[in-house]
Amino acid sequence: GENVEQHPSTLSVQEGDSAVIKCTYSDSASNYFPWYKQELGKGPQLIIDIRSNVGEKKDQRIAVTLNKTAKHFSLHITETQPEDSAVYFCAASRWDSGTYKYIFGTGTRLKVLA
Amino acid sequence: GAVVSQHPSWVICKSGTSVKIECRSLDFQATTMFWYRQFPKQSLMLMATSNEGSKATYEQGVEKDKFLINHASLTLSTLTVTSAHPEDSSFYICSASGLARETQYFGPGTRLLVL
Repeated sequence: GENVEQHPSTLSVQEGDSAVIKCTYSDSASNYFPWYKQELGKGPQLIIDIRSNVGEKKDQRIAVTLNKTAKHFSLHITETQPEDSAVYFCAASRWDSGTYKYIFGTGTRLKVLA
Repeated sequence: GAVVSQHPSWVICKSGTSVKIECRSLDFQATTMFWYRQFPKQSLMLMATSNEGSKATYEQGVEKDKFLINHASLTLSTLTVTSAHPEDSSFYICSASGLARETQYFGPGTRLLVL
């Protein structure tokens, strides 16, 4: 079945530095890739997403890149701030039986050190 | 926009009792709602998918008679954990998708502790 690998599992960066989280998916039919930020005790919040017909998307300090051939997609956070500290999840999905089901990665715990 | 609420935010119950969790889309009509379970320091695991007015579709290994899902309207879905046991203690999160069917918006989650 579909599998999504996410690395690293933990990441510590100094405030102001960049953070990169990488995901690899197995199902070549996947065509939608959202990223979520989850703070402790809360539900995941969508921070950015990308569709398979686009190679890169940027929203202020956050960017996502997609390499369909290699089945890789990555989250880039620049100028990190302490409030960026959270767990980040990638997901891969495709239309199947009337819905888009997500396969989530295992998560990356990001710590931004002040 | 795209706000999803859950109620209650946390619940403690005795073993053998049933617990109902509500999930509401506040500012959009949710064609599909999803229920996830998340154990500490783990990823989200999809339990079931439901469309308004239809029976829920459960993932492999999820007992449909134990986790009853009702999607009565385009803005409300409920998850009832029947005869709860300590191993059902977890963080339950719902999500909803609307017209942009590929995007899921998540609720804040419900923490269930079964004693």
